[in-house]
Amino acid sequence: QQQVKQSPQSLIVQKGGISIINCAYENTAFDYFPWYQQFPGKGPALLIAIRPDVSEKKEGRFTISFNKSAKQFSLHIMDSQPGDSATYFCAAAYSSNTGKLIFGQGTTLQVKP
Amino acid sequence: NAGVTQTPKFQVLKTGQSMTLQCAQDMNHNSMYWYRQDPGMGLRLIYYSASEGTTDKGEVPNGYNVSRLNKREFSLRLESAAPSQTSVYFCASSEEAQGRYEQYFGPGTRLTVT
Repeated sequence: QQQVKQSPQSLIVQKGGISIINCAYENTAFDYFPWYQQFPGKGPALLIAIRPDVSEKKEGRFTISFNKSAKQFSLHIMDSQPGDSATYFCAAAYSSNTGKLIFGQGTTLQVKP
Repeated sequence: NAGVTQTPKFQVLKTGQSMTLQCAQDMNHNSMYWYRQDPGMGLRLIYYSASEGTTDKGEVPNGYNVSRLNKREFSLRLESAAPSQTSVYFCASSEEAQGRYEQYFGPGTRLTVT
């Protein structure tokens, strides 16, 4: 059972464009929603995270939008750059469960110069 | 600080062989995790350890065993490797800080079972 569903599987964006990756979750007990970024040959690294008490969080060019009623959240990358080309994973967790994360399937982003 | 280290980086096994993947962290974290990453499947949790001396199954534990040797080290053992275990394996550690659980990942072990 896939508790966190991520789309699209792959995404190609022109330099300067906006990249949007979407995730949907099923378990309403989830209360922590991070996004991880992974470059080829490396382990994932935390990019940005949100809790359900806010609808949006912005860090530089990266923004998470959160819709609690729809059980959806998304990552927006503004002014996308070739250096943003990577695989992005959304995830969800509930705090009482020792921080164990449930990951989405991943999105491979390619930003063309 | 080295963060999370994993050995080996690459390994080729024949079906039926056994091996242990090693993981160590120097951040004094209580929680440690083993994941496998397969194309289109994301990261799937194999086993995790919430603290020294405790381990628990994740989503895909069959065919694996783990040992939390001490607070720093968490190893993953394949007793009889199968081609279906060909994957990239990641170890991670985390600690709660102000309500967030940032997991720090190692560089991964690429395992091929022939």
